[in-house]
Amino acid sequence: QKEVEQNSGPLSVPEGAIASLNCTYSDRGSQSFFWYRQYSGKSPELIMFIYSNGDKEDGRFTAQLNKASQYVSLLIRDSQPSDSATYLCAVINDYKLSFGAGTTVTVRA
Amino acid sequence: NAGVTQTPKFRILKIGQSMTLQCTQDMNHNYMYWYRQDPGMGLKLIYYSVGAGITDKGEVPNGYNVSRSTTEDFPLRLELAAPSQTSVYFCASSSDSRERPQHFGDGTRLSIL
Repeated sequence: QKEVEQNSGPLSVPEGAIASLNCTYSDRGSQSFFWYRQYSGKSPELIMFIYSNGDKEDGRFTAQLNKASQYVSLLIRDSQPSDSATYLCAVINDYKLSFGAGTTVTVRA
Repeated sequence: NAGVTQTPKFRILKIGQSMTLQCTQDMNHNYMYWYRQDPGMGLKLIYYSVGAGITDKGEVPNGYNVSRSTTEDFPLRLELAAPSQTSVYFCASSSDSRERPQHFGDGTRLSIL
């Protein structure tokens, strides 16, 4: 079983819609959870982090964490063409980050 | 505002050659990391360091070596390059905070032919 699994893409959403990205992790001792956005040919950039159960909102982004279910998600509201990218879920244990394979999102104008 | 700087940005090596990928950060971060990313895949940890003089293996360390003589620098050495090492290499750093978000360099695109 992979340490971090993300829902397979690609995910295509119309402009203005909500994009929903899911991620599960295998290690119950995982401490912190991150969502990175990666544009094609670029390095990952951090968009959200969460370490407590519940929701965390930052602008159009909402991260949700459920440690009992070992599940973390990212919602992108009012999706824009500039949100078209690959989104990487990452989980940290003892300062080592494990990444999922990523979900590619395409926002249709 | 340099952040994490990686050199070179691109490189082509022949099989069996060696090279060093350079990484330096100016944020006084203790933690530094090397990842590789193959096409369509997530990042895999090669080596990491929690401070000067301390390094440890990640998920895919074979064929690589690192050193950490200063807080700022964390070079990655490839010995006897193989086609399987063709990848994009990212260096990252983080502070000691709980959230530990990692700041990434722009990457080095390496091809072994």
